[in-house]
Amino acid sequence: SYVLTQPPSVSVAPGKTARITCGGDNIGSKSVHWYQDKPGQAPVVVIYYDTARPSGIPERFSGSNSGNTATLTISRVEAGDEADYYCQVWESRSGQRVFGGGTKLTVL
Amino acid sequence: QEQLVESGGGVVQPGRSLRLSCGASGFTFSNFAIHWVRQAPGKGLEWVAFTPYDESDKYYADSVKGRFTISRDNAENTVYLQMKSLRVEDTAVYYCARDGRGNHGGGAFDIWGQGTMVTVSS
Repeated sequence: SYVLTQPPSVSVAPGKTARITCGGDNIGSKSVHWYQDKPGQAPVVVIYYDTARPSGIPERFSGSNSGNTATLTISRVEAGDEADYYCQVWESRSGQRVFGGGTKLTVL
Repeated sequence: QEQLVESGGGVVQPGRSLRLSCGASGFTFSNFAIHWVRQAPGKGLEWVAFTPYDESDKYYADSVKGRFTISRDNAENTVYLQMKSLRVEDTAVYYCARDGRGNHGGGAFDIWGQGTMVTVSS
């Protein structure tokens, strides 16, 4: 089955830029979605189809996808961005959806 | 307001069965594919199952294949997850989520419920 690899944790100071990677075999050929997960809340999609941003998500959130790596970039990080972030793809051959293992973003 | 609400969670012994429900409101339910996703305590998100709008092609995670069945009743705006032969490792919060791409899915999960807890324990 298809595997997505994320770093377990990323730390960044307020106002700086956080980059969270999602590695997968030729992931650039797939559409990647990113979710923000905070304790006690339902997950929220922050980027879909690699680069699209849902209404209500700040412009500070952006995404890219090429080769074997997709990246979620959060600019001008704020304390409220502290959360777990998950990448997700559709493995079309099997019909299954796959999540990465998640990355805990800590704002220092 | 577009909304999904799960119900049916609880404590169940290993080997027993449980059925979860996911009720939708605020949108045309029959136009959208629906997923179930779970999260074990302290763990990451795990996709569980998918049904398109017409139940034509359902898919399951390998970890639940043969034990779980997803179904839907478009007249009642409800999706179900029938879980059989439950294991301790099935303990998790179970979320239903709407596929934003529409009736055959393939998009992001754009609306999530608040989740229902399933605990499998003797």
